[in-house]
Amino acid sequence: QVQLVESGGGVVQPGRSLRLSCAASGFTFSSYGMHWVRQAPGKGLEWVTGIWFDGSNEYYADSVKGRFTISRDNSKNTLYLQMNSLRAEDTAVYFCARDRFTVPSFFDYWGQGTLVTVSA
Amino acid sequence: DIQMTQSPSSLSASVGDSVTITCQASQDIDKFLNWYQQKAGKAPKLLIYDASNLETAVPSRFSGSGSGRDFSFTISSLQPEDIATYYCQQYDNVPLTFGGGTKVELK
Repeated sequence: QVQLVESGGGVVQPGRSLRLSCAASGFTFSSYGMHWVRQAPGKGLEWVTGIWFDGSNEYYADSVKGRFTISRDNSKNTLYLQMNSLRAEDTAVYFCARDRFTVPSFFDYWGQGTLVTVSA
Repeated sequence: DIQMTQSPSSLSASVGDSVTITCQASQDIDKFLNWYQQKAGKAPKLLIYDASNLETAVPSRFSGSGSGRDFSFTISSLQPEDIATYYCQQYDNVPLTFGGGTKVELK
């Protein structure tokens, strides 16, 4: 069965960096687009970034553009999110999610999420 | 960016009631609209894609309709396990955007 397991969350000071990982299993990882979606405490869902199945295209929300970088290693079935220059407003649960297709569409499987807290 | 306006933000209904949530896009998004259910402390779950297609293994009491700018999501007979927050999401354009959510509670 499809499984997505995020890791790497934690408490980090403003301005510092953090890298999240998402280990995928149960499907052909290299055939699907992947995304990161976040949810601030008590708030709604916010799409953060997505990447094509082969890593050839990336998309970002304006709120993270220039600070966050999505990448993937298809040989390791792993998705990454490098987060730099973190701000308090980046505090959220970060979910990785599989795209039904190879280009940005919708999310048919989700991980359980990893909490990132940006605080001094 | 395409803004998604979802209403109501919360509702209270009894078991067996029919519940309808609406979602309006700030521009025409054709049929590229999806609905998710999120239970407390859990990841979201895809229920409906492309406005009206029921995802595999999702109960038939859930349905969606609409196209263009106006969409609706209905639970035909509310069950206790349907207590959750529901979100619409468009994929006509990047950035992908979600509605603000509708929290469904039992009366």
